[in-house]
Formats: sequence, structure tokens, C-alpha cells
Amino acid sequence: AQSVTQPDIHITVSEGASLELRCNYSYGATPYLFWYVQSPGQGLQLLLKYFSGDTLVQGIKGFEAEFKRSQSSFNLRKPSVHWSDAAEYFCAVGAGGGGNKLTFGTGTQLKVEL
Amino acid sequence: DTGVSQDPRHKITKRGQNVTFRCDPISEHNRLYWYRQTLGQGPEFLTYFQNEAQLEKSRLLSDRFSAERPKGSFSTLEIQRTEQGDSAMYLCASSSPLKRGGTPYNEQFFGPGTRLTVL
Repeated sequence: AQSVTQPDIHITVSEGASLELRCNYSYGATPYLFWYVQSPGQGLQLLLKYFSGDTLVQGIKGFEAEFKRSQSSFNLRKPSVHWSDAAEYFCAVGAGGGGNKLTFGTGTQLKVEL
Repeated sequence: DTGVSQDPRHKITKRGQNVTFRCDPISEHNRLYWYRQTLGQGPEFLTYFQNEAQLEKSRLLSDRFSAERPKGSFSTLEIQRTEQGDSAMYLCASSSPLKRGGTPYNEQFFGPGTRLTVL
């Protein structure tokens, strides 16, 4: 069964600083990997996804993520954080084939200091 | 495209009562998913439908839970004899049909969720 670990429960960064959120996954086959963001009162919004090909993927809002098979990681990065990026971020792995259900990590709460 | 909608947004009930939630997916999305999210956790898969067929259920979905999608459009999730441990956010998502030769995985679009509090 697939699983996702997000080792950082909370992260605080200053506005304008760079950001990296960690994600490690466990999955027997080629994983489909996702990062979602959840703001209070809002649904989950997809930031980016990795299926295959180029291991560095670009997403919305200036985010990017790098897939590293050797480390089973899919870390999310942003070079300069904005106050509006404060939210909870979830990494997820999808099972291919019929179901396509998602398995999420426990999330990382991002706080941005002005 | 109006997005995935869920009703109600909040529900407070007493232990032992039955509750029903509704999800309206994006039109023409044939797959519909239910997830549950408890405080401090990520969403956990409960069940999913392809059209009107319920194809997979998680072991988290006890006998008190039942989901339907009678006409392959909206879906309902009913919880019977609610318990305090059922308190959570219930999220619905939908995705479009996979196309031959297309990507192997279609994005799931999530609704805002229904927050259930069981007293």
C-alpha cells in the first residue's frame, strides 16, 4: 500500500524567503505525485503534479517540485514566499490503474512572517 | 464550470442521529470520490464511484456509512447512528473520464467540504 510522509508539521518563513516543504512517499510502482494547498474554508487546490518525464515540475503560484526516485522524495519549493502563501500543504500519491484514489500526507502548516 | 459543490457546509448533530451530505460534481465528470479529513490529518479515502457504480470502499467506511450516486450525477453520503468519532470534514472530489492515449491520471477537483460535529 502506498504512503506519504511529511516530516514537518509546521514551518515558519519570512516573506521573501525561500521555501522547501519535504515529502517522502512509499509506492511499489511508478508513482503519480501531487501537491495540494488548503486555505481555511477553502477546498483543496492542486498546485502541481508529476506523472513521468522531466523530474522538475512547475506549478501554479510560482511553486515547483522535484521528483527524486532514489530518495523517494517529491519536495515542494518556492524561491520567494508571499504572505498569501500561508496555508496548509499536502503531498499525495495516486494509485494508477482503475481507482486513482489519492493517499495524502498529514500536511505541513506554513506560516509567513511579515 | 461551477466547481464541485457540497451541502451543507456545516452540520451539528447529536450522537445517535443520522446525517446525510450531498455532493454535486463538475458536470460531465464521471468519477466521484469521498474523503474524510480529521483535525491535524490529511484527507483519507473513503469510497469512489465511476458513473453510478461504487467501485471501491475503504475499510474506514463502516457499516454505518453508505454512499450512493443513483444517476451518475450527484452523490449522497449517509452516516447512521453518528458517533463522536465521526466528527470530521467530509470532502468530495470529481474527475473527468480518462481518455485513451491521454494522461493516466486525471486531476481530482475538490469541493469545500462538509464539516460535521457530533455532540
